[in-house]
Amino acid sequence: EADIYQTPRYLVIGTGKKITLECSQTMGHDKMYWYQQDPGMELHLIHYSYGVNSTEKGDLSSESTVSRIRTEHFPLTLESARPSHTSQYLCASSDFTALGGGYTFGSGTRLTVV
Amino acid sequence: EDQVTQSPEALRLQEGESSSLNCSYTVSGLRGLFWYRQDPGKGPEFLFTLYSAGEEKEKERLKATLTKKESFLHITAPKPEDSATYLCAGGAGTALIFGKGTTLSVSS
Repeated sequence: EADIYQTPRYLVIGTGKKITLECSQTMGHDKMYWYQQDPGMELHLIHYSYGVNSTEKGDLSSESTVSRIRTEHFPLTLESARPSHTSQYLCASSDFTALGGGYTFGSGTRLTVV
Repeated sequence: EDQVTQSPEALRLQEGESSSLNCSYTVSGLRGLFWYRQDPGKGPEFLFTLYSAGEEKEKERLKATLTKKESFLHITAPKPEDSATYLCAGGAGTALIFGKGTTLSVSS
């Protein structure tokens, strides 16, 4: 079944640790996105990619980095986690040509930095 | 600055009590207005895309409409399983711009 997967679902980690949030999709979508969501707030775009070897920063300033070496894989890395990074991180993908199809979202990773 | 504003922030309804959620937008070069449903602990689930003023789309008890400045999500005779946060988003260029959402609670 075509879908988008995020791991881990929950992560509690200490300050200063390096972490990678995984995102994989099986739909062959060209476009992929990372959004950050805090309770009661809008989803904010932090990174996006239009295809392999294409990555851009979004509107929300972020200390994270991303890579797109394979179409299906779009991991997000925090080199040194801080309590301010505590949030929900959502990965999404879309077909390059079909704006009308909207985004398909993963279930998210809830990150807590202590 | 592109912006999407949703109201109310929270809405409590009795089962069968119809109502509407509002989404007002200022998005330059809007190419589509999107509605999503988000359940607690999950990612948003796509509901509708509206492209032009006057367009309407329906799915079960939900109907979405679009004007040049606003979109409405009408919920007819809601059931408890309709309880969720409903997100509105405008699409123009790079990526979707989301509102904060309306959290709907339907009690039996």
